[in-house]
Amino acid sequence: DQQVKQNSPSLSVQEGRISILNCDYTNSMFDYFLWYKKYPAEGPTFLISISSIKDKNEDGRFTVFLNKSAKHLSLHIVPSQPGDSAVYFCAASASGGANSKLTFGKGITLSVRP
Amino acid sequence: EAQVTQNPRYLITVTGKKLTVTCSQNMNHEYMSWYRQDPGLGLRQIYYSMNVEVTDKGDVPEGYKVSRKEKRNFPLILESPSPNQTSLYFCASSYGGTQYFGPGTRLLVL
Repeated sequence: DQQVKQNSPSLSVQEGRISILNCDYTNSMFDYFLWYKKYPAEGPTFLISISSIKDKNEDGRFTVFLNKSAKHLSLHIVPSQPGDSAVYFCAASASGGANSKLTFGKGITLSVRP
Repeated sequence: EAQVTQNPRYLITVTGKKLTVTCSQNMNHEYMSWYRQDPGLGLRQIYYSMNVEVTDKGDVPEGYKVSRKEKRNFPLILESPSPNQTSLYFCASSYGGTQYFGPGTRLLVL
């Protein structure tokens, strides 16, 4: 049973346009959500996070939106750049941000076309 | 520089030959964990450790062992590797809810 779902395996976007990456979760105990970015031959790197007490968190070109009632979050990248091409993982935990297990989705491969 | 290091980065071995993948972090983090990444399956947790001498199973612990004798190191041990353990392995350490990953170890078991 997959608790964190990234249903679209890939997304292709034109440079300069918005990229929207979606993530759904089933476990209502999850209260802290993160996005990681992964380039080939490298480990995942932390991108942005959001606590369940918020519905939006912004960091430069990256914004994460959380809809708790729908158990859905999304990552918006505006404007998209070719260097954003990578695999993006959504992750969730159930301890309000304390040291705890992260449950990951399968990842979305984002391709930004020049 | 704050980092998580893993060694080796690449390893080819044969079925049944014991191996250890080392992991070390210099951030004084208490929480460390091991993941494997497989095509179409994302990142799955193998084992984690809340602190020295405290370890517990993740989602896919079968065939693996870990130890945490000191805070900075968290080795992953495959006592008798099998081909289904061919994978890309990541070690991570955590501060708060954010985990920081090592560069990965690509393992091929023949």
